[in-house]
Amino acid sequence: SAVISQKPSRDICQRGTSLTIQCQVDSQVTMMFWYRQQPGQSLTLIATANQGSEATYESGFVIDKFPISRPNLTFSTLTVSNMSPEDSSIYLCSVGEGLGYGYTFGSGTRLTVV
Amino acid sequence: GESVGLHLPTLSVQEGDNSIINCAYSNSASDYFIWYKQESGKGPQFIIDIRSNMDKRQGQRVTVLLNKTVKHLSLQIAATQPGDSAVYFCAENTNTDKLIFGTGTRLQVFP
Repeated sequence: SAVISQKPSRDICQRGTSLTIQCQVDSQVTMMFWYRQQPGQSLTLIATANQGSEATYESGFVIDKFPISRPNLTFSTLTVSNMSPEDSSIYLCSVGEGLGYGYTFGSGTRLTVV
Repeated sequence: GESVGLHLPTLSVQEGDNSIINCAYSNSASDYFIWYKQESGKGPQFIIDIRSNMDKRQGQRVTVLLNKTVKHLSLQIAATQPGDSAVYFCAENTNTDKLIFGTGTRLQVFP
């Protein structure tokens, strides 16, 4: 399975600032996804990162707040913009090769907004 | 440690016993299911998967059962060990290729 490197692993940020999280995969993958995991809760899909086009966002998530880039088949970024304490979460990158092939997750970025 | 699983339902089992973790999934059109294990400070790790054309699949010490009639999934862990302590999530996949996660269960193994 693919190996995912996610950076930074954790950060403490001031409210009103933005943080860009990077996801690097060691092989070309078809699908890349970004998830949020709020403290003590399950994972919620933010968006599907599409190579060469705009990301597809889930209900409740918007591009202005969570802009995503995917310039190629091995790399994606998620920016958390104009942060507030409610954005304190773990953000996870995931990759998949389609139905039945499993989905691999990075170790996550633990964001605390103060 | 991290706060993963603080507010999730908890299953406590004695070391050596079998564990059964249950999950109700939401979409009758889902055709692929995965169980993940998440330890504190880590991302979810793949445990076992099952396609909708099967009702049982076995791995090493783990078995997944799928009941499509009632949209229910279970993970059985044989001879539970302290290293099995973690939060367990089921996830479902529809033909949109998105993976949607269930609420999760925290497994605590005590000696």
